[in-house]
Amino acid sequence: GQQVMQIPQYQHVQEGEDFTTYCNSSTTLSNIQWYKQRPGGHPVFLIQLVKSGEVKKQKRLTFQFGEAKKNSSLHITATQTTDVGTYFCAGRGQAGTALIFGKGTTLSVSS
Amino acid sequence: GAGVSQSPSNKVTEKGKDVELRCDPISGHTALYWYRQSLGQGLEFLIYFQGNSAPDKSGLPSDRFSAERTGGSVSTLTIQRTQQEDSAVYLCASSILRDNEQFFGPGTRLTVL
Repeated sequence: GQQVMQIPQYQHVQEGEDFTTYCNSSTTLSNIQWYKQRPGGHPVFLIQLVKSGEVKKQKRLTFQFGEAKKNSSLHITATQTTDVGTYFCAGRGQAGTALIFGKGTTLSVSS
Repeated sequence: GAGVSQSPSNKVTEKGKDVELRCDPISGHTALYWYRQSLGQGLEFLIYFQGNSAPDKSGLPSDRFSAERTGGSVSTLTIQRTQQEDSAVYLCASSILRDNEQFFGPGTRLTVL
């Protein structure tokens, strides 16, 4: 079945450093979504990518969807303590059924 | 309501008992999802409802798990004969349509003793 892998599982950075998490699917995706879950909270939608090679930015966050629509990345520039949390990617296969979540990357930031 | 609500927020039960978890999605959202999240783990898909279509039950881990969605709105996840490995946070989410962003509820923390 479809699998979505995310790396790294954990990342610790100093405030001001950059951070990237990568998401890879075993199958071609129709779209990919990214969510952020703060400690003790529930996942909150960040963005959806649909087109091959798509790049979207939200302030310090840059999201990319690979040309083959099998991988994606989230890059945070100059991390802040407010960026702490777990970032999940979630991909939907071409068959268009359930959204499959990766296991997430947990980011910690020290000031 | 303004968002997805779930009840109860916490549930402690004894092994072997049945439990029911409730989800009230955002009004007008046709898609509803149930996920399970164990401590420090990702989101495990359980079941998905879309309008009046047959639900996608492919994520249910065993026949002890079942879910209903009545009237296209409220959903109930039932776990029969609970086991300790069922302990987790059960999250519900809804979206306007299948491919749109999902709005998550606060979850129900289930502890099976």
